[in-house]
Amino acid sequence: QVHLVESGGGVVQPGGSLRLSCVASGNSLYSYGIHWLRQAPGKGLEWVAFIQASDVNERSYTDTVKGRFTISRDNSKTIVYLQMTSLRPEDTALYYCVHGRDYSFHMWGPGTMVTVSS
Amino acid sequence: QTVVTQEASFSVSPGGTVTLTCGLHSDSVSTTHRPSWYQQTPGQAPRTLIYNTNTRSSGVPDRFSGSILGNKAALTITGAQVDDESDYYCVLYMGPLIWVFGGGTKLTVL
Repeated sequence: QVHLVESGGGVVQPGGSLRLSCVASGNSLYSYGIHWLRQAPGKGLEWVAFIQASDVNERSYTDTVKGRFTISRDNSKTIVYLQMTSLRPEDTALYYCVHGRDYSFHMWGPGTMVTVSS
Repeated sequence: QTVVTQEASFSVSPGGTVTLTCGLHSDSVSTTHRPSWYQQTPGQAPRTLIYNTNTRSSGVPDRFSGSILGNKAALTITGAQVDDESDYYCVLYMGPLIWVFGGGTKLTVL
């Protein structure tokens, strides 16, 4: 079974940047729409961003990250990135990349932790 | 700002039936919102239970079912088991390319 694996998390100061990566173990992400979701410690899940498989220009974001986060795919479409800038303490969360199918989320990975703190 | 509502907590006895709901603060939920449901136990990644209102994800037992009840999406667990004690999240597709999670329901089985 294909699983998605996230990486790139870490500790960053407020105002800083991080780039998260998402790869599929044993397969390519080529044909998948990919979402980034997050979960702050002790809180619920939140949808963050989405990029289409067929049209990489079709992207969307939740309002709280618009203008600060950018979702993208590499040219071979084997990796999906989440570039995060102007990070805030409230961006502290476990970030998941998931496969988008039938308007829902599938193939959850273990996530990568982002901590924004001075 | 879209608000998706879920019960904060619910309790069910082992073997019992429970229905969790997923609503919209200012509208009715319909199949066009493509409701989906996720189960999460502490320290674990979520697991997809139901998508497209009532389609069970691969490997999900048939005691989990999804539907529209009145003006809300619903997740029904029939014959609840102790292992079902988890947090349950619904998601609604608000289009175009926008999804919103509910706040989650903490289900206790005892």
